[in-house]
This record gives sequence, C-alpha cells and structure tokens, in this order.
Amino acid sequence: GAVVSQHPSRVICKSGTSVKIECRSLDFQATTMFWYRQFPKQSLMLMATSNEGSKATYEQGVEKDKFLINHASLTLSTLTVTSAHPEDSSFYICSAMPIDRSYGYTFGSGTRLTVV
Amino acid sequence: AQSVTQLGSHVSVSEGALVLLRCNYSSSVPPYLFWYVQYPNQGLQLLLKYTSAATLVKGINDFEAEFKKSETSFHLTKPSAHMSDAAEYFCAVTGETSGSRLTFGEGTQLTVNP
Repeated sequence: GAVVSQHPSRVICKSGTSVKIECRSLDFQATTMFWYRQFPKQSLMLMATSNEGSKATYEQGVEKDKFLINHASLTLSTLTVTSAHPEDSSFYICSAMPIDRSYGYTFGSGTRLTVV
Repeated sequence: AQSVTQLGSHVSVSEGALVLLRCNYSSSVPPYLFWYVQYPNQGLQLLLKYTSAATLVKGINDFEAEFKKSETSFHLTKPSAHMSDAAEYFCAVTGETSGSRLTFGEGTQLTVNP
C-alpha cells in the first residue's frame, strides 16, 4: 500500500534556529502534498498545499516566510520552520495524494517539534 | 464550500459494545468522505473512504460507514469495540471543486472501558 515517510519524528531545537521536516512518498508519486499543524486535543489545520515544481499555496494566516515549503520532486516535499520560536512548537503532519488522484490520501507519522 | 461536523467530542463505550461515531457533512458538490484514526503522537490512518460507489463502505478492523445523502451523514460504526480501538477519530470531506484539500471535523475521542 501507499506509504508516506516523515522525518524526523521528534525534534527539539533552540529558539531562533531553523528546522527542516521531510515528507517522502515511498511507493507512489505525488504531485500534491499537504502540510498540517495540529495542536493538542485539536483537529488538523491545513497550513499549505505543495505542488511539485511550483510554489506552495498557503492558507490564510500562515506566514510564508516562516514556513518554507519546497516540493522539488514527485516523491519529496520539505517544510522548513525558520527562526523557530516556542509558539511554533506543535505536531506537524504531511499528507500525499497519488498522481492518479485516486483520493487515497496517505499521511505521514508526524513530527513533534519542540522549540526551547 | 465544504464542512464536516462530528457530533460528540468524546464517546465512551464498553468493550464488546457497538461503536457509533457521528459525522454530518455539508457540500455543494458530490462529496468524497473519509474516516481516519489517530493514535497518540502518530499520523492519521485511513479507516475507510466513500468515493461515490457503494453507499455502505467497509473498512479495516471491522469498521464500516454508510453514506446517506438524504441525511448528509456518514456515521462510522463497529459492531464490537476492542480496547485497541481507543483513539481519536476524524471524519473528512473533499470534492472535485475543492482543490483536493481535505476538510476535517473536530474529531471524536473514543474511550473503551473494560
């Protein structure tokens, strides 16, 4: 079945540093990947839609310069949290949609980011 | 625009009892509907999906859901709860005109009591 690998699963970084999170589709090609943020006991909040070879589409209120998204290939999208601050601490999850749009959205296992 | 409402942020059942998690949707186009499960500190796992084929959808781990257009509902059921079913459950909707983005409900925390 479709597998999405997200790395790292946990990361602790100092305030002011940048952190990169990778999302890879292992056995399928994904023209579109999605990045979500999830606060404790809450639902997933879509941050941005990442399309291979083009600029990401950010949701209203999400800072483009803080959350840099790159989708350089059909199997890899990255989210970089720049100049991280404690309020950026959260659970980040990626999702990939197959190129054939079979609506089999597959989610990564998530990344727990803690900024200290 | 599309939206999903999950009735009941917390549901508690006894082991072996019926599980019923409610989901109502709003969509101006034919919807695609999904149920996902999330265990603590993990991503989402697809339980089942409705994509305009059979209205009764069977998923993994004996879960199933029925698409009822007249009621705009897609409730999730399981005949007999297991302790391992305790988790957060999310209903989600998308459609052809939504840019393929999923819209999630607020989630329902299922507790299974021994």
